[in-house]
Amino acid sequence: AQSVAQPEDQVNVAEGNPLTVKCTYSVSGNPYLFWYVQYPNRGLQFLLKYITGDNLVKGSYGFEAEFNKSQTSFHLKKPSALVSDSALYFCAVRAYSSASKIIFGSGTRLSIRP
Amino acid sequence: DAGVIQSPRHEVTEMGQEVTLRCKPISGHDYLFWYRQTMMRGLELLIYFNNNVPIDDSGMPEDRFSAKMPNASFSTLKIQPSEPRDSAVYFCASSLAFVRDPSNYGYTFGSGTRLTVV
Repeated sequence: AQSVAQPEDQVNVAEGNPLTVKCTYSVSGNPYLFWYVQYPNRGLQFLLKYITGDNLVKGSYGFEAEFNKSQTSFHLKKPSALVSDSALYFCAVRAYSSASKIIFGSGTRLSIRP
Repeated sequence: DAGVIQSPRHEVTEMGQEVTLRCKPISGHDYLFWYRQTMMRGLELLIYFNNNVPIDDSGMPEDRFSAKMPNASFSTLKIQPSEPRDSAVYFCASSLAFVRDPSNYGYTFGSGTRLTVV
């Protein structure tokens, strides 16, 4: 069965510092991985995805994520945090097949202090 | 495309009343999902449809909840009777079928309906 874990409920970072939001996954076969962001009073918005190819994928708002197959991880990163990055971030996974749906993690609240 | 459209944005109702939430998916999408989000339980999948047919409703909490998709452009989630513990934000999402576009497979979410049952 597919699963995804976000071990941190909250991550606090000072503006200008690098940030990392952690995600690990479990899936049979090759994974299809996503990050979504949710701003207050909004729905989840697609941020980036990994299908295949380069392990470092770049997404919206300067975010990137690194796929690590041996560690089954897909951590979200940004070199320099902005206060406007404060939001709820969800990691998600599905098996690379036609039969399964996307499974979302529990979410990590990112708080960037000025 | 205007994206996934949900209505109403906010709903306040009294306990025992019937509540109907509405969703218009993105035109051409094959799947439609209903989620509920609360602080305590996070994001929960309630039910999803493929080509208007319910595929998995195992996340529907009780018989008080029902969902329909009469056509490809409209779905409803109904709670009857409503209870205070149903207070949450309800999201609708839609997607293409994986087999139709694997490179673009992902969900597009609506802005949600914030339901308050008093």
